[in-house]
Amino acid sequence: DTGVSQDPRHKITKRGQNVTFRCDPISEHNRLYWYRQTLGQGPEFLTYFQNEAQLEKSRLLSDRFSAERPKGSFSTLEIQRTEQGDSAMYLCASGFAGQETQYFGPGTRLLVL
Amino acid sequence: EDKVVQSPLSLVVHEGDTVTLNCSYEVTNFRSLLWYKQEKKAPTFLFMLTSSGIEKKSGRLSSILDKKELSSILNITATQTGDSAIYLCAVNNAGNNRKLIWGLGTSLGVNP
Repeated sequence: DTGVSQDPRHKITKRGQNVTFRCDPISEHNRLYWYRQTLGQGPEFLTYFQNEAQLEKSRLLSDRFSAERPKGSFSTLEIQRTEQGDSAMYLCASGFAGQETQYFGPGTRLLVL
Repeated sequence: EDKVVQSPLSLVVHEGDTVTLNCSYEVTNFRSLLWYKQEKKAPTFLFMLTSSGIEKKSGRLSSILDKKELSSILNITATQTGDSAIYLCAVNNAGNNRKLIWGLGTSLGVNP
């Protein structure tokens, strides 16, 4: 399967713990996006990369959130000191720069107790 | 502020019915509008529309953009239970970031 993959698919953690999610984009894609989605809402933009450069980070993203794409391939999203309000589906998508279509991974569902 | 509004928020139909989902937008420097289908997982791409009046079609699904009315419709004919999903509309502005602005989605239920 050459689609976008995410790991883990589900994560349950206790409030205050750190969590890290991984996204492997479609290999040819140079753009990688992170979104957060809660029930009944559309995806909320968090950040995106072109190759290894992080080009934009949402103002909604607190400093507890950090993302990296060190080699321009896979990306990690880390949430430090998780809060219950961080419970959501975290979606990764990839695409080509200059093309709007984004292809989504299966998501990581986070539950913070 | 850029926004995308979808209607209705939810609807339930019987198998075989035809449905029309609406998406309207207010976006500076519109570039394209995308439709996605989301079941109990991540959204899957359906269509991308950039030009007014040109229908995109895939099987029983079709979509068209009206730039004058700042809107798009997604039609599904002869609905099946497998069409039950949330249909999301997203709009891309012509800025450098290519960030998608998402609507809240229309939840479609198709009863047998």
